[in-house]
Amino acid sequence: DIVMTQSPLSLPVTPGEPASISCRSTQSLLHSNGYNFVTWYLQKPGQVPQVVIFLGSHRAPGVPDRFTGSGSGTDFTLKISRVEAEDVGVYYCMQALQTPFTFGPGTRVDVK
Amino acid sequence: QVQVLQSGAEVKKPGASVKVSCKTSEYTFTSYFVHWVRQAPGQGLEWMGVIDPSDGTTRAAQKFQGRITMTMDTSTRTMYMELSSLTSEDTAIYYCSRDVHCTGFSCYYLDHWGQGTLVTVSS
Repeated sequence: DIVMTQSPLSLPVTPGEPASISCRSTQSLLHSNGYNFVTWYLQKPGQVPQVVIFLGSHRAPGVPDRFTGSGSGTDFTLKISRVEAEDVGVYYCMQALQTPFTFGPGTRVDVK
Repeated sequence: QVQVLQSGAEVKKPGASVKVSCKTSEYTFTSYFVHWVRQAPGQGLEWMGVIDPSDGTTRAAQKFQGRITMTMDTSTRTMYMELSSLTSEDTAIYYCSRDVHCTGFSCYYLDHWGQGTLVTVSS
């Protein structure tokens, strides 16, 4: 199985400041079609997860442009250019290249 | 709009089975894979398995193989996930979620989630 790791696991942020989360996989997530099958989800407190970034760098519908996904192969990053209060929650990366799909452990983002 | 509605909370004894339903509406049922994901209390997300409604093909995580059965009823647009031989470790919220697109079994993202079904396993 592909193992997903994230760092940091906890990220206190100041509103208006940038934030960055790293995600690494034990195998390349690059599909033969040229896309990296990694997805970023945000689970806000008490809510179901919601997609933020898919295929490594594609912003999901309705997601603000302060969110950016990058990376290829085994190393991926989610960046928030200017954190807002509504961005708090747990961010998970997930590989969807091959079953079993696997999630990272999550990064808890909260306001300082 | 797309709706995904799960069955209600369940309390089960160790060794029992649980069957969670996931009723979908307002989209072409056979065109979208449905995944099952669970979350133990205070823990992260765990992918359990996926079903292709076009032909009923399923794939499950190794840790659940032999215990999980994913089925569907096309006439009612309902997916089912049954987990057997329950232990306290299976206490969790179980989610079903539609995938927006899959190429083979490589998938884009889960776009519509059910509200979750809390399964509590306790003697």
